[in-house]
Amino acid sequence: EDQVTQSPEALRLQEGESSSLNCSYTVSGLRGLFWYRQDPGKGPEFLFTLYSAGEEKEKERLKATLTKKESFLHITAPKPEDSATYLCAVYPGSATNKLIFGTGTLLAVQP
Amino acid sequence: GAVVSQHPSWVICKSGTSVKIECRSLDFQATTMFWYRQFPKQSLMLMATSNEGSKATYEQGVEKDKFLINHASLTLSTLTVTSAHPEDSSFYICSARGTGGGNQPQHFGDGTRLSIL
Repeated sequence: EDQVTQSPEALRLQEGESSSLNCSYTVSGLRGLFWYRQDPGKGPEFLFTLYSAGEEKEKERLKATLTKKESFLHITAPKPEDSATYLCAVYPGSATNKLIFGTGTLLAVQP
Repeated sequence: GAVVSQHPSWVICKSGTSVKIECRSLDFQATTMFWYRQFPKQSLMLMATSNEGSKATYEQGVEKDKFLINHASLTLSTLTVTSAHPEDSSFYICSARGTGGGNQPQHFGDGTRLSIL
């Protein structure tokens, strides 16, 4: 069964304290892995797409990496405005439109 | 780029009312649009997938007669919750995927908070 697991469920950081969020996936092939940010009461905001192992993408303080089994979202010197829920999702290799979502990591960055 | 607009953002109505939610892709054409439901502190649950000009595909357990989906153009899909009851109260989110193929990311609207009294 296709599955996406995110850890930790919640993470509290001090401003400037770098860390990483993990997304492990078990799917029958991988057609794409996506990272989103979701603020309370809002829809997910697209951050990155990764398609193959070894690929990396960066945007401001965020960097996403991909291996054959997992993806990491590295947050460097976070600021309070980075506080949000970060969602990981994959398109499995089977012919389906369905995104498989992880349950998210709730990040709180304290000033 | 890749902006998806969802309207309304908040609806409060009486039990038995039908409610229509619109989802528009503002700066790209969306071959496929998706409708999700999200419960508090949970991840998104896919309700249905719609392709422009064809009938929607509903996930198991989702009543197609309760949740009517129309995808009339490459930029607009609508979800109508018919004869809504309090148990239909939830956060509904749409997403759209461009014409570039099945590996493209989905871009999400800001959701509609539906409260049925």
